[in-house]
Amino acid sequence: EPEVTQTPSHQVTQMGQEVILRCVPISNHLYFYWYRQILGQKVEFLVSFYNNEISEKSEIFDDQFSVERPDGSNFTLKIRSTKLEDSAMYFCASSEELGLSYEQYFGPGTRLTVT
Amino acid sequence: GQQLNQSPQSMFIQEGEDVSMNCTSSSIFNTWLWYKQEPGEGPVLLIALYKAGELTSNGRLTAQFGITRKDSFLNISASIPSDVGIYFCAGPPPFGNEKLTFGTGTRLTIIP
Repeated sequence: EPEVTQTPSHQVTQMGQEVILRCVPISNHLYFYWYRQILGQKVEFLVSFYNNEISEKSEIFDDQFSVERPDGSNFTLKIRSTKLEDSAMYFCASSEELGLSYEQYFGPGTRLTVT
Repeated sequence: GQQLNQSPQSMFIQEGEDVSMNCTSSSIFNTWLWYKQEPGEGPVLLIALYKAGELTSNGRLTAQFGITRKDSFLNISASIPSDVGIYFCAGPPPFGNEKLTFGTGTRLTIIP
């Protein structure tokens, strides 16, 4: 069964460093998302991406964050200058054509630890 | 923003028992999704509901889309140890936005 994959599974970085989290969405899906989950809390939406541009972003997704689909398969989240409060699980998700299905399929996540 | 409140917050039940949990919103949802999350893993989609009053099953799991469109329910029958995890309801806001709002979660623990 097709699935969303993410790398790395765990990333440790120092405050102020740049990190890039990588995702390979399900191949026939057209919508891509990033969510985060701070330890012990609920999953929060960061950004959605469709047709090579951001379609919606939350207030969490400030200028330090960016997303890119550098080729036909990868979808990346970059945090330019990490802060301690960026420590969280980051989940990538994908879905088919909007209007046909709101079902989003999540990857296993990347645990980001900022020290 | 929209809030989805789930109850109970946590449940401790014996293996073999049935489980019921619910999710409520102050505003209408047109779609309800139920996810399960195990420690260190991503949410896994269990059931999707698209019509008010709809009742949908996936094995021992049954979910219902409330008539008011402001709530949804998830039942698990004859619980087994692998049912342990956190169950989240989620939904897209009305008017076509794609982002999902997640509920606060119900943590299920099963006592052997």
